[in-house]
Amino acid sequence: GAVVSQHPSWVICKSGTSVKIECRSLDFQATTMFWYRQFPKQSLMLMATSNEGSKATYEQGVEKDKFLINHASLTLSTLTVTSAHPEDSSFYICSARGGGWGYGYTFGSGTRLTVV
Amino acid sequence: TQLLEQSPQFLSIQEGENLTVYCNSSSVFSSLQWYRQEPGEGPVLLVTVVTGGEVKKLKRLTFQFGDARKDSSLHITAAQPGDTGLYLCAGIYNQGGKLIFGQGTELSVKP
Repeated sequence: GAVVSQHPSWVICKSGTSVKIECRSLDFQATTMFWYRQFPKQSLMLMATSNEGSKATYEQGVEKDKFLINHASLTLSTLTVTSAHPEDSSFYICSARGGGWGYGYTFGSGTRLTVV
Repeated sequence: TQLLEQSPQFLSIQEGENLTVYCNSSSVFSSLQWYRQEPGEGPVLLVTVVTGGEVKKLKRLTFQFGDARKDSSLHITAAQPGDTGLYLCAGIYNQGGKLIFGQGTELSVKP
């Protein structure tokens, strides 16, 4: 089946630094990738949608200059949290969907970000 | 803005009891999915419902899609401690579109 690999699984960084999270589709080409954020005991909140080779579309209230998304290839999308602050600490999850209509949204295993 | 209302948000029951989780929206879904998520992991797909009125069963779990494709329910029969987890409904509002999640239901089944 479709597999999405997300790295790192957890990261601790200092305030003011930037952190990059990678999301890779291992056995299919992901024309569209989605990035979600999840706080403890809460649901997944969609941050942005990225299509290969084009700019990401951000949801309302998400700062695009703070959460930089790059989808340079059909198998890789990255989320960079710039100038991280403690309030950015959260669980970040990516999801990938292949080309052609289907119901398959494959999720990565998530990245636990802690900003100290 | 599409909103997906999921209820209840928390549920604590005894082993052997039945339960139902609801997912409602004012918008029509092209399809709806149910996921289960364990702490520290990504959500795992349980089922996708597409046709209004559709009913799907997965062992002790029964999923129903409303006739108007605006609501769905998940019913668990004879819950077991292993069913404990976060259950999420997610709606797809247009073909090939983004997946929007409900608030989630944190289920705890006590032995």
